[in-house]
Amino acid sequence: AQSVTQLDSQVPVFEEAPVELRCNYSSSVSVYLFWYVQYPNQGLQLLLKYLSGSTLVKGINGFEAEFNKSQTSFHLRKPSVHISDTAEYFCAARYNFNKFYFGSGTKLNVKP
Amino acid sequence: NAGVTQTPKFQVLKTGQSMTLQCAQDMNHNSMYWYRQDPGMGLRLIYYSASEGTTDKGEVPNGYNVSRLNKREFSLRLESAAPSQTSVYFCASSPGLARIRPGTGELFFGEGSRLTVL
Repeated sequence: AQSVTQLDSQVPVFEEAPVELRCNYSSSVSVYLFWYVQYPNQGLQLLLKYLSGSTLVKGINGFEAEFNKSQTSFHLRKPSVHISDTAEYFCAARYNFNKFYFGSGTKLNVKP
Repeated sequence: NAGVTQTPKFQVLKTGQSMTLQCAQDMNHNSMYWYRQDPGMGLRLIYYSASEGTTDKGEVPNGYNVSRLNKREFSLRLESAAPSQTSVYFCASSPGLARIRPGTGELFFGEGSRLTVL
């Protein structure tokens, strides 16, 4: 069965430091990958997506992710975080065109 | 730009009561989804509808039923609510093309419905 694993449930980091949120997915011939962000009491917003092409994907708010097929990973990175980046981040994979699977989420806590 | 609209936003039920969560999208998307979100478990798919007239079970369908009323609307029904169904429910939609085209493919989410079953 397809699955998405987020290796860290919580990541504390100081403001202006770099951060990496890790995501691994189960391998498939056809898979599309996404990162979403959820602010408290809100729905999920798309940060970035990988459908095909360049393995380095840039998203909103200075985030980027790298698709690594050999390691089945899609880690999210930001070189310098802000207080406003405090939120929960979800990695998701789309298999068979219509089914999406989500990881368990990583709470990013940016400290001043 | 309404996007995906869910109602109600909050609901408290007693065990055994029934209710329906409504969802509508105005983006002309083919596919619609219902997820539940529980702490530490991410989002789990309850049911989805790849296109109008079809519905399929997801990871956690037990205790739920769905209706794809038309292309815009996809409702989720709890026939006899249980405390284990206390959760935040999200409706989402996607273009759901048979072949993904660049620039498409993601889910668009509603703001969620918080359900408490006592």
